[in-house]
Amino acid sequence: GAVVSQHPSWVICKSGTSVKIECRSLDFQATTMFWYRQFPKQSLMLMATSNEGSKATYEQGVEKDKFLINHASLTLSTLTVTSAHPEDSSFYICSASKDHILAGGTGELFFGEGSRLTVL
Amino acid sequence: GQNIDQPTEMTATEGAIVQINCTYQTSGFNGLFWYQQHAGEAPTFLSYNVLDGLEEKGRFSSFLSRSKGYSYLLLKELQMKDSASYLCAVRDYGDGGATNKLIFGTGTLLAVQP
Repeated sequence: GAVVSQHPSWVICKSGTSVKIECRSLDFQATTMFWYRQFPKQSLMLMATSNEGSKATYEQGVEKDKFLINHASLTLSTLTVTSAHPEDSSFYICSASKDHILAGGTGELFFGEGSRLTVL
Repeated sequence: GQNIDQPTEMTATEGAIVQINCTYQTSGFNGLFWYQQHAGEAPTFLSYNVLDGLEEKGRFSSFLSRSKGYSYLLLKELQMKDSASYLCAVRDYGDGGATNKLIFGTGTLLAVQP
């Protein structure tokens, strides 16, 4: 398998502040990482695709100015929730693929541990 | 558009067999995945199907019919630890197949009872 690590695991912040979540691929390089959001008892909603060295691709309905994504290296992507509000409280999960489907791989996604954000 | 449906909840008995169905309608299709997720944890990979047919992996098997837009996950010899959410995910290659973007279904919460 492959290891994807997320930090922090949980964070509590005040309304109006910004929170940064890091996602690292520990034993492989990932040109693409994906950020998902999950509400209680619901499935994963894709927020954006993080591309190393270029702008992230956001899904419809996701505010790019609200959720800033930076993919500065082949092993690190960050998600910053700016001016957080209580409705931003959620479980944020990042994922990355070790192999590329164009190279004959399955493109299986490996997930980080997730970051639980609570905005007071 | 994209639509991936699964039953919301299922209950089964320890030692039994359970089948979790998934139907999908996506603009493109380039593989279907099943993931297991325990409460408060990240999903873990279970299986992958890209061609029609059955893929077996120990106590878990997954079936795919592309013409019907249908898959199922079969869990045998159920154990209490199998109580979890099971997520069906389809890879949609809207951008020409260059990325591994997965779109997840609603998830099925499976409760295994003694």
